[in-house]
Amino acid sequence: AQTVTQSQPEMSVQEAETVTLSCTYDTSESDYYLFWYKQPPSRQMILVIRQEAYKQQNATENRFSVNFQKAAKSFSLKISDSQLGDAAMYFCAYRSGNTGKLIFGQGTTLQVKP
Amino acid sequence: ETGVTQTPRHLVMGMTNKKSLKCEQHLGHNAMYWYKQSAKKPLELMFVYNFKEQTENNSVPSRFSPECPNSSHLFLHLHTLQPEDSALYLCASSQEGGLETQYFGPGTRLLVL
Repeated sequence: AQTVTQSQPEMSVQEAETVTLSCTYDTSESDYYLFWYKQPPSRQMILVIRQEAYKQQNATENRFSVNFQKAAKSFSLKISDSQLGDAAMYFCAYRSGNTGKLIFGQGTTLQVKP
Repeated sequence: ETGVTQTPRHLVMGMTNKKSLKCEQHLGHNAMYWYKQSAKKPLELMFVYNFKEQTENNSVPSRFSPECPNSSHLFLHLHTLQPEDSALYLCASSQEGGLETQYFGPGTRLLVL
Protein backbone atom coordinates (compact mmCIF):
# COMPACT_ATOMS: atom_id res chain seq x y z
CA ALA A 1 0.00 0.00 0.00
CA GLN A 2 1.10 3.53 -0.69
CA THR A 3 2.03 5.83 2.17
CA VAL A 4 2.83 9.52 2.44
CA THR A 5 4.98 10.92 5.23
CA GLN A 6 5.45 14.52 6.27
CA SER A 7 8.03 14.49 9.01
CA GLN A 8 7.69 18.14 10.02
CA PRO A 9 4.50 18.75 12.05
CA GLU A 10 5.32 22.46 12.32
CA MET A 11 7.59 24.90 10.51
CA SER A 12 8.12 28.62 10.76
CA VAL A 13 9.65 31.14 8.39
CA GLN A 14 10.35 34.84 8.45
CA GLU A 15 8.37 36.93 6.02
CA ALA A 16 10.19 37.28 2.66
CA GLU A 17 12.42 34.29 3.43
CA THR A 18 12.37 30.84 1.81
CA VAL A 19 11.13 27.66 3.43
CA THR A 20 11.09 24.04 2.32
CA LEU A 21 8.50 21.52 3.44
CA SER A 22 9.44 17.85 3.22
CA CYS A 23 7.42 14.94 1.93
CA THR A 24 8.36 11.34 1.22
CA TYR A 25 6.20 8.59 -0.13
CA ASP A 26 6.34 4.89 -0.66
CA THR A 27 4.96 3.14 -3.72
CA SER A 28 5.72 0.36 -6.16
CA GLU A 29 3.77 2.08 -8.93
CA SER A 30 5.38 3.89 -11.83
CA ASP A 31 2.34 5.95 -12.80
CA TYR A 32 1.19 8.44 -10.19
CA TYR A 33 0.67 12.10 -9.39
CA LEU A 34 1.85 14.17 -6.47
CA PHE A 35 0.19 17.24 -5.03
CA TRP A 36 0.67 19.89 -2.43
CA TYR A 37 -2.51 21.31 -0.94
CA LYS A 38 -2.83 24.30 1.36
CA GLN A 39 -5.47 24.55 4.05
CA PRO A 40 -5.65 28.04 5.63
CA PRO A 41 -7.44 28.60 8.92
CA SER A 42 -10.67 29.21 6.95
CA ARG A 43 -10.46 25.48 6.11
CA GLN A 44 -10.85 25.66 2.32
CA MET A 45 -8.35 23.18 0.89
CA ILE A 46 -6.60 24.75 -2.08
CA LEU A 47 -4.36 23.09 -4.65
CA VAL A 48 -0.89 24.65 -4.62
CA ILE A 49 1.00 22.58 -7.15
CA ARG A 50 0.96 19.20 -8.87
CA GLN A 51 3.58 16.95 -10.42
CA GLU A 52 3.17 14.06 -12.80
CA ALA A 53 5.59 11.23 -12.00
CA TYR A 54 6.56 10.77 -15.64
CA LYS A 55 7.78 14.35 -15.90
CA GLN A 56 11.38 14.91 -14.89
CA GLN A 57 11.08 18.67 -14.80
CA ASN A 58 10.11 20.08 -11.42
CA ALA A 59 6.78 21.89 -11.35
CA THR A 60 6.68 25.59 -10.48
CA GLU A 61 3.80 27.95 -9.75
CA ASN A 62 4.96 31.49 -9.11
CA ARG A 63 6.63 31.46 -5.66
CA PHE A 64 5.99 27.74 -5.19
CA SER A 65 8.23 25.05 -6.62
CA VAL A 66 8.89 21.41 -5.94
CA ASN A 67 11.99 19.27 -5.77
CA PHE A 68 10.83 15.93 -7.15
CA GLN A 69 13.34 13.15 -6.60
CA LYS A 70 11.67 10.06 -8.04
CA ALA A 71 14.36 7.56 -7.13
CA ALA A 72 14.43 8.82 -3.56
CA LYS A 73 10.61 9.09 -3.48
CA SER A 74 10.86 12.61 -2.22
CA PHE A 75 8.61 15.55 -3.09
CA SER A 76 9.48 18.71 -1.19
CA LEU A 77 7.77 22.09 -1.55
CA LYS A 78 9.78 25.30 -1.62
CA ILE A 79 8.05 28.58 -0.88
CA SER A 80 10.08 31.63 -1.87
CA ASP A 81 9.53 35.18 -0.62
CA SER A 82 7.14 33.91 2.06
CA GLN A 83 4.09 36.04 2.73
CA LEU A 84 1.80 36.25 5.74
CA GLY A 85 -0.97 34.72 3.64
CA ASP A 86 1.12 31.58 3.20
CA ALA A 87 0.45 30.62 6.82
CA ALA A 88 -1.60 27.44 6.69
CA MET A 89 -1.44 23.70 7.00
CA TYR A 90 0.18 22.10 3.98
CA PHE A 91 -0.65 18.58 2.89
CA CYS A 92 1.35 16.42 0.55
CA ALA A 93 -0.78 13.93 -1.38
CA TYR A 94 -0.19 10.95 -3.65
CA ARG A 95 -2.63 9.88 -6.33
CA SER A 96 -2.38 6.39 -7.72
CA GLY A 97 -2.43 6.17 -11.50
CA ASN A 98 -4.10 2.77 -11.16
CA THR A 99 -6.81 3.25 -8.54
CA GLY A 100 -7.13 7.03 -8.57
CA LYS A 101 -7.09 6.99 -4.78
CA LEU A 102 -5.68 10.13 -3.16
CA ILE A 103 -3.57 9.54 -0.05
CA PHE A 104 -2.62 12.42 2.21
CA GLY A 105 0.27 12.98 4.57
CA GLN A 106 -0.26 14.16 8.12
CA GLY A 107 0.26 17.80 7.24
CA THR A 108 2.76 20.51 8.16
CA THR A 109 1.61 23.68 9.86
CA LEU A 110 3.51 26.66 8.50
CA GLN A 111 3.80 29.82 10.55
CA VAL A 112 4.98 33.01 8.84
CA LYS A 113 6.51 35.59 11.15
CA PRO A 114 6.31 39.30 10.26
CA GLU B 1 -21.43 30.15 -7.53
CA THR B 2 -18.19 28.54 -8.54
CA GLY B 3 -16.14 25.61 -7.34
CA VAL B 4 -17.37 23.19 -4.71
CA THR B 5 -19.89 24.27 -2.10
CA GLN B 6 -20.99 22.50 1.06
CA THR B 7 -23.91 23.06 3.41
CA PRO B 8 -24.27 23.44 6.26
CA ARG B 9 -20.89 24.82 7.28
CA HIS B 10 -21.47 23.91 10.92
CA LEU B 11 -23.71 21.25 12.44
CA VAL B 12 -24.37 20.16 16.00
CA MET B 13 -26.41 17.01 16.46
CA GLY B 14 -27.34 14.54 19.14
CA MET B 15 -26.60 10.86 18.81
CA THR B 16 -30.23 10.03 17.99
CA ASN B 17 -30.65 12.70 15.31
CA LYS B 18 -30.74 12.25 11.56
CA LYS B 19 -29.13 14.91 9.42
CA SER B 20 -27.69 15.27 5.93
CA LEU B 21 -24.66 17.04 4.54
CA LYS B 22 -24.87 18.44 1.05
CA CYS B 23 -22.15 19.03 -1.52
CA GLU B 24 -22.52 20.63 -4.93
CA GLN B 25 -19.85 21.07 -7.58
CA HIS B 26 -20.05 23.64 -10.34
CA LEU B 27 -16.98 22.47 -12.25
CA GLY B 28 -18.51 19.94 -14.63
CA HIS B 29 -16.62 17.11 -12.96
CA ASN B 30 -17.64 13.46 -13.08
CA ALA B 31 -16.24 12.20 -9.77
CA MET B 32 -17.07 13.23 -6.21
CA TYR B 33 -15.60 12.27 -2.85
CA TRP B 34 -16.28 12.46 0.88
CA TYR B 35 -13.36 12.80 3.29
CA LYS B 36 -13.22 12.94 7.07
CA GLN B 37 -10.66 15.21 8.70
CA SER B 38 -10.07 14.67 12.39
CA ALA B 39 -7.59 16.53 14.55
CA LYS B 40 -4.06 15.15 14.42
CA LYS B 41 -4.92 12.63 11.70
CA PRO B 42 -4.48 12.61 7.91
CA LEU B 43 -7.54 13.06 5.76
CA GLU B 44 -9.45 9.81 5.48
CA LEU B 45 -11.22 8.95 2.26
CA MET B 46 -14.75 7.73 2.95
CA PHE B 47 -16.58 7.36 -0.34
CA VAL B 48 -15.93 7.81 -4.06
CA TYR B 49 -18.50 8.26 -6.80
CA ASN B 50 -17.64 8.10 -10.49
CA PHE B 51 -20.42 9.02 -12.90
CA LYS B 52 -22.92 8.69 -10.02
CA GLU B 53 -21.81 5.14 -9.23
CA GLN B 54 -20.17 4.39 -5.91
CA THR B 55 -16.75 2.97 -6.66
CA GLU B 56 -15.25 2.98 -3.19
CA ASN B 57 -16.47 2.57 0.35
CA ASN B 58 -13.47 2.79 2.60
CA SER B 59 -14.82 0.59 5.41
CA VAL B 60 -17.10 3.34 6.62
CA PRO B 61 -19.70 2.46 9.30
CA SER B 62 -23.27 2.13 8.06
CA ARG B 63 -24.36 5.11 10.15
CA PHE B 64 -22.88 7.14 7.26
CA SER B 65 -24.91 6.74 4.08
CA PRO B 66 -23.88 8.52 0.87
CA GLU B 67 -26.14 9.46 -2.00
CA CYS B 68 -25.20 10.78 -5.42
CA PRO B 69 -28.35 11.64 -7.43
CA ASN B 70 -26.37 13.23 -10.26
CA SER B 71 -22.78 14.12 -11.07
CA SER B 72 -23.14 17.59 -9.52
CA HIS B 73 -24.59 16.67 -6.14
CA LEU B 74 -23.42 14.48 -3.31
CA PHE B 75 -25.06 13.91 0.05
CA LEU B 76 -23.93 12.27 3.25
CA HIS B 77 -26.81 11.09 5.39
CA LEU B 78 -26.04 10.77 9.08
CA HIS B 79 -27.92 8.77 11.71
CA THR B 80 -27.17 7.54 15.23
CA LEU B 81 -23.68 9.01 15.16
CA GLN B 82 -21.14 8.71 17.95
CA PRO B 83 -19.13 11.52 19.57
CA GLU B 84 -15.99 10.20 17.85
CA ASP B 85 -17.63 11.05 14.53
CA SER B 86 -17.15 14.73 15.32
CA ALA B 87 -14.83 16.06 12.62
CA LEU B 88 -14.58 18.22 9.54
CA TYR B 89 -16.23 16.55 6.57
CA LEU B 90 -14.80 17.59 3.24
CA CYS B 91 -16.29 17.07 -0.18
CA ALA B 92 -14.17 17.08 -3.32
CA SER B 93 -14.66 16.64 -7.04
CA SER B 94 -12.43 15.84 -9.99
CA GLN B 95 -12.53 15.11 -13.70
CA GLU B 96 -11.50 11.50 -14.07
CA GLY B 97 -9.68 10.91 -17.32
CA GLY B 98 -8.64 14.56 -17.36
CA LEU B 99 -6.37 16.53 -15.06
CA GLU B 100 -7.74 14.47 -12.16
CA THR B 101 -6.86 17.09 -9.60
CA GLN B 102 -9.33 17.09 -6.75
CA TYR B 103 -10.97 20.37 -5.80
CA PHE B 104 -12.29 20.67 -2.28
CA GLY B 105 -15.25 22.37 -0.68
CA PRO B 106 -14.98 24.41 2.53
CA GLY B 107 -16.17 21.52 4.68
CA THR B 108 -18.86 20.94 7.28
CA ARG B 109 -17.72 21.11 10.89
CA LEU B 110 -19.75 18.42 12.69
CA LEU B 111 -20.10 18.11 16.44
CA VAL B 112 -21.90 15.09 17.85
CA LEU B 113 -23.06 15.46 21.42
